[in-house]
Amino acid sequence: AQSVTQPDIHITVSEGASLELRCNYSYGATPYLFWYVQSPGQGLQLLLKYFSGDTLVQGIKGFEAEFKRSQSSFNLRKPSVHWSDAAEYFCAVGITGTASKLTFGTGTRLQVTL
Amino acid sequence: GAVVSQHPSRVICKSGTSVKIECRSLDFQATTMFWYRQFPKQSLMLMATSNEGSKATYEQGVEKDKFLINHASLTLSTLTVTSAHPEDSSFYICSARELKGAGASSYNEQFFGPGTRLTVL
Repeated sequence: AQSVTQPDIHITVSEGASLELRCNYSYGATPYLFWYVQSPGQGLQLLLKYFSGDTLVQGIKGFEAEFKRSQSSFNLRKPSVHWSDAAEYFCAVGITGTASKLTFGTGTRLQVTL
Repeated sequence: GAVVSQHPSRVICKSGTSVKIECRSLDFQATTMFWYRQFPKQSLMLMATSNEGSKATYEQGVEKDKFLINHASLTLSTLTVTSAHPEDSSFYICSARELKGAGASSYNEQFFGPGTRLTVL
């Protein structure tokens, strides 16, 4: 069965600083990988996704992620964080086939200091 | 495009009552909808998968008689929490996907609703 690990429960960065959120996955085949953001009391917004092709994926709000098969990782990055980026970030892996189930990591809470 | 709505956004009910939550795909036909549960400061846990016109498939440990799921049309799925108790208080999120391809190599993206906050007193 697939699994996702987000090692960092809570990260604090200063506004304007760079950000990297870690995600490691376990899946026997080619994974479909996602990063979602959730503001308090809200649903999930898709930041970016990797299905195939270029391993560096660009997303919304200036985020990007790099798929590294050798490290089973899909880390999320942003060069300069804004205060509005404070939220919960979830990495997820999807399985192929019609089930298309998603397995989520435990999430990383990002706090941005001014 | 690909908008999913949930209603209500927030509900408070007394212990022992039943609560129905609706999930609608507004601009596409959702052959499959998923229901998730999220406890405070925790991740989303898949509860069940519902396919239009057939019975839902529940994840291990989820009581199907307590969490009734109906996917009667291609744009609507409902989750009914029966005889709700305080421990059922949670954030319930649905997602929907449109079946565009089939087979082992395909993946059909899910689109998430805004969630429903259930509080059982």
